[in-house]
Amino acid sequence: GAGVSQTPSNKVTEKGKYVELRCDPISGHTALYWYRQSLGQGPEFLIYFQGTGAADDSGLPNDRFFAVRPEGSVSTLKIQRTERGDSAVYLCASSPALTGGELFFGEGSRLTVL
Amino acid sequence: RKEVEQDPGPFNVPEGATVAFNCTYSNSASQSFFWYRQDCRKEPKLLMSVYSSGNEDGRFTAQLNRASQYISLLIRDSKLSDSATYLCVVHTGRRALTFGSGTRLQVQP
Repeated sequence: GAGVSQTPSNKVTEKGKYVELRCDPISGHTALYWYRQSLGQGPEFLIYFQGTGAADDSGLPNDRFFAVRPEGSVSTLKIQRTERGDSAVYLCASSPALTGGELFFGEGSRLTVL
Repeated sequence: RKEVEQDPGPFNVPEGATVAFNCTYSNSASQSFFWYRQDCRKEPKLLMSVYSSGNEDGRFTAQLNRASQYISLLIRDSKLSDSATYLCVVHTGRRALTFGSGTRLQVQP
């Protein structure tokens, strides 16, 4: 596709459930980023990949959060035992390389944990 | 202390006004700076990069003061369509971009 695609666009789940969020980056972009954004806040960094490997996962809040990018393209963010505090918009972005330049964001996956 | 700090606003200005936002960053090793724009319930998009010499893009002017570690964005002749949240963004080392919390602008007719 032309842009970064994220699915689902909305996800409502119950506390304690497992959730997967998917990101399909712009074709050819080697760097992929996950951020999350709560109401009234800026995007908060979670993890980024250069190719298949996680180059920096220092933003993951705890071990309930995990992300993979097995073939260097599509990435999945996995959240175990969801908590109400996990409710946020999860944004995925990609860039041609880790250049510190422009990130191209998807429209986000809005997660609501009841 | 947050790595990137911005006044959350909102800034309510009439059409045609000039408005300025400032942002401060804490890491003196930061090397690249940007302003992103985010419309309500939409994804952030790059507005402009910020260079040490200052740069201008139409009605928008961005400036960087490394000594004081602040970045500014000036919008002249505000339009209704400028209403959005403006995110100050900093790049440091090999880390991903760090975003501020954003400054909300509401341009009124």
